[in-house]
Amino acid sequence: NAGVTQTPKFRVLKTGQSMTLLCAQDMNHEYMYWYRQDPGMGLRLIHYSVGEGTTAKGEVPDGYNVSRLKKQNFLLGLESAAPSQTSVYFCASKTMGQGGSLGTEAFFGQGTRLTVV
Amino acid sequence: AQSVTQLDSHVSVSEGTPVLLRCNYSSSYSPSLFWYVQHPNKGLQLLLKYTSAATLVKGINGFEAEFKKSETSFHLTKPSAHMSDAAEYFCAVSEAGFQKLVFGTGTRLLVSP
Repeated sequence: NAGVTQTPKFRVLKTGQSMTLLCAQDMNHEYMYWYRQDPGMGLRLIHYSVGEGTTAKGEVPDGYNVSRLKKQNFLLGLESAAPSQTSVYFCASKTMGQGGSLGTEAFFGQGTRLTVV
Repeated sequence: AQSVTQLDSHVSVSEGTPVLLRCNYSSSYSPSLFWYVQHPNKGLQLLLKYTSAATLVKGINGFEAEFKKSETSFHLTKPSAHMSDAAEYFCAVSEAGFQKLVFGTGTRLLVSP
């Protein structure tokens, strides 16, 4: 039972390079999220998706793009990496549940540690 | 807009003493509230959640939390700390009609022998 899988787990980028982080979930969840975690700032929502083919901006979307072409996958792209994007990135997914997603639990991946030099 | 404030960035306790981690929320509608725990270099794991049923919620590993609407609080407690409880704890809120899950800045719990 894999749950939420993030690849890669670690990456070092040079300023200006691009990359894509992959999140895959095998729980048939409708909702998927990308967060970044920085010391003292908790988890901040970058983008999220409420279903295949849909995406929406979170609190800190600048410099990132996302796509959800398949229900099980949620991709986070950095077009031109900057040192300010050095962070730990977490993907999460949750089901809609009966009566909406309000009380359903989000399941998290193990994180991707990205360093931009 | 929904938001969460965790009042303490660090809490230090001795093993065997009670734990109190404080969380206040802001929400225009009836919220759902969650506590997650993160051990070093790991993802987040759900401890417990409140979804408009009983206001006192019991979670895993002996933790519990009480939803107090009048105080807009959802504090996490445990009667007796264990060394294995040392971790970072996050409070989160989800609001009716919104799909976002918003987190607080976290509280690092330190447990000394």
